[in-house]
Amino acid sequence: AQSVAQPEDQVNVAEGNPLTVKCTYSVSGNPYLFWYVQYPNRGLQFLLKYITGDNLVKGSYGFEAEFNKSQTSFHLKKPSALVSDSALYFCAVRELYGNNRLAFGKGNQVVVIP
Amino acid sequence: ETGVTQSPTHLIKTRGQQVTLRCSSQSGHNTVSWYQQALGQGPQFIFQYYREEENGRGNFPPRFSGLQFPNYSSELNVNALELDDSALYLCASSFGGRAGGVTYEQYFGPGTRLTVT
Repeated sequence: AQSVAQPEDQVNVAEGNPLTVKCTYSVSGNPYLFWYVQYPNRGLQFLLKYITGDNLVKGSYGFEAEFNKSQTSFHLKKPSALVSDSALYFCAVRELYGNNRLAFGKGNQVVVIP
Repeated sequence: ETGVTQSPTHLIKTRGQQVTLRCSSQSGHNTVSWYQQALGQGPQFIFQYYREEENGRGNFPPRFSGLQFPNYSSELNVNALELDDSALYLCASSFGGRAGGVTYEQYFGPGTRLTVT
């Protein structure tokens, strides 16, 4: 069964500094990988996905993520964090075949300090 | 905004009662998935509906059941509510088939906050 690990509970970063949120995954075969963001009392908002192709994928709001098959990782990055990036970030994975079931990590709280 | 809507926004029920949550999928989407997000946790997959049939189920008991209608909207029903059912229930829509499909990402609604007392 597919699973995701997000090892850090909270990531603190100063505004303007690079932001990294870590994610490792476990799946049979090739993965589809996703990042979502959740603001307080809101649903999940899609940021970006890796399906195939270039290992560096670009998404919404200046976020990008790098797929590393050998390390089974899919870390989310942003070159310069904004205070408005403070939110809860979830990594998710689904298997290449099978239904569209997503397995989520526990989430990382990102706090961008002004 | 994703175009996925859920109702009601908040709900308070008593243990043992039954509840129905509703979801309208994004226009053009034919697949609806339901997730339970307990406080401080990531969403957990409950089940998925594709063209009015269940298309996969997570580790949830049979008292969690669902429906999908011809317009692809969906309901989640929970019988015999327990205190641990208190959570944010998220609906997500996508376009695809039984073996996964064209829309790889899922688009989530704002959720229904269920409190069981």
